[in-house]
Amino acid sequence: EVQLVESGGGFVQPGGSLRLSCAASGLTFSSHWMSWVRQAPGKGLEWVANINEDGSQKYYVDSVKGRFTISRDNAKDSLYLQMNSLRAEDTAMYYCVKDTNWNYNYWGQGTLVTVSS
Amino acid sequence: QTVVTQEPSLTVSPGGTVTLTCASSTGAVTSGYYPNWFQQKPGQTPRALIYSTNNKHSWTPARFSGSLLGGKAALTLSGVQPEDEADYYCLLFHGGAQPWVFGGGTKLTVL
Repeated sequence: EVQLVESGGGFVQPGGSLRLSCAASGLTFSSHWMSWVRQAPGKGLEWVANINEDGSQKYYVDSVKGRFTISRDNAKDSLYLQMNSLRAEDTAMYYCVKDTNWNYNYWGQGTLVTVSS
Repeated sequence: QTVVTQEPSLTVSPGGTVTLTCASSTGAVTSGYYPNWFQQKPGQTPRALIYSTNNKHSWTPARFSGSLLGGKAALTLSGVQPEDEADYYCLLFHGGAQPWVFGGGTKLTVL
């Protein structure tokens, strides 16, 4: 059974940083693209970033470019999202999603990030 | 900036049929946009329903189907059940530097 478990969310002041992690199990992690998707409270889903199997290709939504960095450690079956210069509008639940062959089939339970002074 | 548009809300009677659509500001949606559809109930994680236009996951109920309709991606629910009341989101692949874009979601009410 595929499991994706996010961690690292929390409360941070504007301008601060957080690093989200996603631990994967039940799949050959190194064979799959992975994505981060977020959802602000009471709002819709927003695609944030994704990364290919070996980490050589990374893509971001415009609103986070230059502030967020997606990465992975295939030896640890883990996905990361380093978030810097956080803004109030980054407040959201952040989901780790397996993204393979244009198929977003498995989602983690999410980790909540709150940016507020 | 690419915008993906869905109906904000739809209402359907139990046992009825309803079609949700997903349009791209870049033009007609084709299979190359690899439409994905998701269901989200209040307080829950999104659940994948359809990928690559019309492919179902092993857990997708048979009453859900995906297609292309009039230049849009479409999700049809046939024989709607009360438990289908939820928010539905589409996701389209546009390639380029910002390859994936979600639609704004459709709130489906079963009444």
